[in-house]
Amino acid sequence: DVKVTQSSRYLVKRTGEKVFLECVQDMDHENMFWYRQDPGLGLRLIYFSYDVKMKEKGDIPEGYSVSREKKERFSLILESASTNQTSMYLCASSSPRGQAQETQYFGPGTRLLVL
Amino acid sequence: LAKTTQPISMDSYEGQEVNITCSHNNIATNDYITWYQQFPSQGPRFIIQGYKTKVTNEVASLFIPADRKSSTLSLPRVSLSDTAVYYCLVGPEGYQKVTFGIGTKLQVIP
Repeated sequence: DVKVTQSSRYLVKRTGEKVFLECVQDMDHENMFWYRQDPGLGLRLIYFSYDVKMKEKGDIPEGYSVSREKKERFSLILESASTNQTSMYLCASSSPRGQAQETQYFGPGTRLLVL
Repeated sequence: LAKTTQPISMDSYEGQEVNITCSHNNIATNDYITWYQQFPSQGPRFIIQGYKTKVTNEVASLFIPADRKSSTLSLPRVSLSDTAVYYCLVGPEGYQKVTFGIGTKLQVIP
């Protein structure tokens, strides 16, 4: 089974702090994603990466950056956390599977509270 | 990408069959239809995917009419553990930036 792990389940940070969220997958997947999930807004894509050191902006990249130095690891960085970044953050990975839409495998999520 | 529309919420009693319909009027020829399930405090997980007609697996069935402008996820004899949010996604092969939307919150009642 694919396993996607996230470094923390719960995190509390203060406004202005630099925050690192780490995600690791063990299935050698090419693609990795960061989403945030808020009530009434569903999952929104922040960034994704289709290869080491490659990244593309999702729908809401403002205030975030990412890093993918190794294939299995994808980090989300909040350069200066703000209260409106309080949210559930979900990491996912996927791999091309031929004639079908890729299946994304999600981690358990990190609930971030910015005070 | 085709826009999808699905009910925000549904209630069902245990043991009943539940059908959740998703509309995707602008679906493209090379688009697939995928459904995910998300339990509280967990990430979504893949349930089923189809292109046309009917697909069945151990969890659910997916019915897609000939015009493909909608699809119906069918959960047979639901139990309390099927309480979750169900997302309908439409997108082509190899396209990563799929949209999850808000999904349908299914509440199974004892």
